[in-house]
Amino acid sequence: NAGVMQNPRHLVRRRGQEARLRCSPMKGHSHVYWYRQLPEEGLKFMVYLQKENIIDESGMPKERFSAEFPKEGPSILRIQQVVRGDSAAYFCASSIDRNSYEQYFGPGTRLTVT
Amino acid sequence: SQQGEEDPQALSIQEGENATMNCSYKTSINNLQWYRQNSGRGLVHLILIRSNEREKHSGRLRVTLDTSKKSSSLLITASRAADTASYFCATDRNFGNEKLTFGTGTRLTIIP
Repeated sequence: NAGVMQNPRHLVRRRGQEARLRCSPMKGHSHVYWYRQLPEEGLKFMVYLQKENIIDESGMPKERFSAEFPKEGPSILRIQQVVRGDSAAYFCASSIDRNSYEQYFGPGTRLTVT
Repeated sequence: SQQGEEDPQALSIQEGENATMNCSYKTSINNLQWYRQNSGRGLVHLILIRSNEREKHSGRLRVTLDTSKKSSSLLITASRAADTASYFCATDRNFGNEKLTFGTGTRLTIIP
């Protein structure tokens, strides 16, 4: 059973470009979470999605950031017009359902904005 | 704001010794979990303790939870070099697995 997959593992973007980060949850998992980790810090919650629904986006910046989890395919975290402050590691986690307390994390995507 | 704060921020011990890390949080919780993160990697789930539990064991790990003090501790016994990593506590507040709130982490170094 493959774990949570994220790609790319490393992404370099110039200021003003768009970044698209992909997350494929574990097989059978329908809940996806995105977290951001700045250097030397803990993870900060961004958004929680189920298939075709955003459940909680309280941690998402109001502008430039969006997330989706379509019926088919991976979840996408999209950052438009990236700025240097967006440089961070972005982790995706999945869980089997709402009542499962354990989240399984992917290896992360390290975004560098130059 | 950060829900959890780990203490100490960094800890170095000799291989074979026990390592104790603490986590404090501010609001009521449903569950508290501990995760390990090796440098540059994703998080690995270690153990979950529910708010109505006081202590839990898993192999060389022992977790305690004191809801009156809003604190938890993670004890790793007989440490090994492979235990070198950052350790984070994470809490959730609602019934059902929604967002986790992470602490700032303890960086543990095991000296061979």
